[in-house]
Amino acid sequence: EVQLVESGGGFIQPGRSLKLSCEASGFTFSDYAMVWVRQAPRKGLEWVATIFYDGSRTFYRDSVKGRFTISRDNARTTLYLQLDSLRSEDTATYYCARLGNYDGYSHWGQGTLVTVSS
Amino acid sequence: EIVLTQSPTTMAASPGEKVTITCRASSSVSYIYWYQQKSGASPKPWIYETSKLASGVPDRFSGSGSGTSYSFTISSMETEDAATYYCHQWSRTPWTFGGGTKLELK
Repeated sequence: EVQLVESGGGFIQPGRSLKLSCEASGFTFSDYAMVWVRQAPRKGLEWVATIFYDGSRTFYRDSVKGRFTISRDNARTTLYLQLDSLRSEDTATYYCARLGNYDGYSHWGQGTLVTVSS
Repeated sequence: EIVLTQSPTTMAASPGEKVTITCRASSSVSYIYWYQQKSGASPKPWIYETSKLASGVPDRFSGSGSGTSYSFTISSMETEDAATYYCHQWSRTPWTFGGGTKLELK
């Protein structure tokens, strides 16, 4: 059974940093691209970043470019999102998801909440 | 950026009623994907590559469209279908979602 389990969220002040993790199991992690998607409270879904299966390429939405870094450790089957220079508008539940070649985000984690506030 | 505009933003349907949601893209995309999200839960894959049902999705659901115009249909509304549905494109970065359609039971 495919499982994605996020962790690392919490309450943090503006300008500080946080690192999210997403532990994967039940599939060959190194075969799949992975994504982070976020959802602000009572708002819609927003794609954040994508990383290729081997980490060779990454993509970000403009509003997080230069502040967030997506990475992965295929040996540990774990996906990461480093969040730096956090802003109040980054407050959201962050989901990791597996990206299939054709079936989109076929599996999602339960999400981890990041609250940025002074 | 490709903007996806869903309509309606909210709607209510009675059991047995047909439901149609549209998703219009500001530029042509290859495929549209649909996700279902219920309150307090993670999104679930629902339809991929415009018209293919994800695993476990009942066949009363369907998707169609091409270019900039796509639709999502429930042939006969059931209680369990009440949720928010999002369309999504990853033809071009930044990958974008529609604003969502909240479907309620009447």
